[in-house]
Amino acid sequence: ETGVTQTPRHLVMGMTNKKSLKCEQHLGHNAMYWYKQSAKKPLELMFVYNFKEQTENNSVPSRFSPECPNSSHLFLHLHTLQPEDSALYLCASSQVSELAKNIQYFGAGTRLSVL
Amino acid sequence: QKEVEQNSGPLSVPEGAIASLNCTYSDRGSQSFFWYRQYSGKSPELIMSIYSNGDQEDGRFTAQLNKASQYVSLLIRDSQPSDSATYLCAVNEEDNDMRFGAGTRLTVKP
Repeated sequence: ETGVTQTPRHLVMGMTNKKSLKCEQHLGHNAMYWYKQSAKKPLELMFVYNFKEQTENNSVPSRFSPECPNSSHLFLHLHTLQPEDSALYLCASSQVSELAKNIQYFGAGTRLSVL
Repeated sequence: QKEVEQNSGPLSVPEGAIASLNCTYSDRGSQSFFWYRQYSGKSPELIMSIYSNGDQEDGRFTAQLNKASQYVSLLIRDSQPSDSATYLCAVNEEDNDMRFGAGTRLTVKP
């Protein structure tokens, strides 16, 4: 148990559906991340929130919409996805500061299948 | 284009042998380096971190860093079948972005 909880663990959705992924961290960290992991590809950073402010959006399509209501919770809202969006979506958190080493702790991930 | 490169493998070693995993990175200003282990269908789990040149040992694991060569490695001594997993190299770059390699798949054969 890493202290980062993701729900749901598995999600199957049609291209016209709207769904949301949830992430909660219990580590007191100030930064949270969404990553996409596809087979045989490096982890792709999607969004970064630092002190609840979005500091990075790596050219992610608008059908993915993040929300960070506070430093412990992070959501990824999904709308009109494509089959190529099927992947493992990982949430991570870290403590970002002058002294902290930005060690990221991952949740168990949500395995998403888009039909 | 900043990169973190790893051999994708698979790397196969017999049980009890030393497994050697290698990683190179392009951002010369990087300061923190990590190895994550990821079992199939699971999330990445941090196993080692290293911040200065030289070796960092933790049990059967040794991380080695050479900033001049922009090279970081992971040695696993007395490899066990339970070590079979994908190992991800991660580099915290100068702008504090974490960049991951694609991972090396390790198989330890009994």
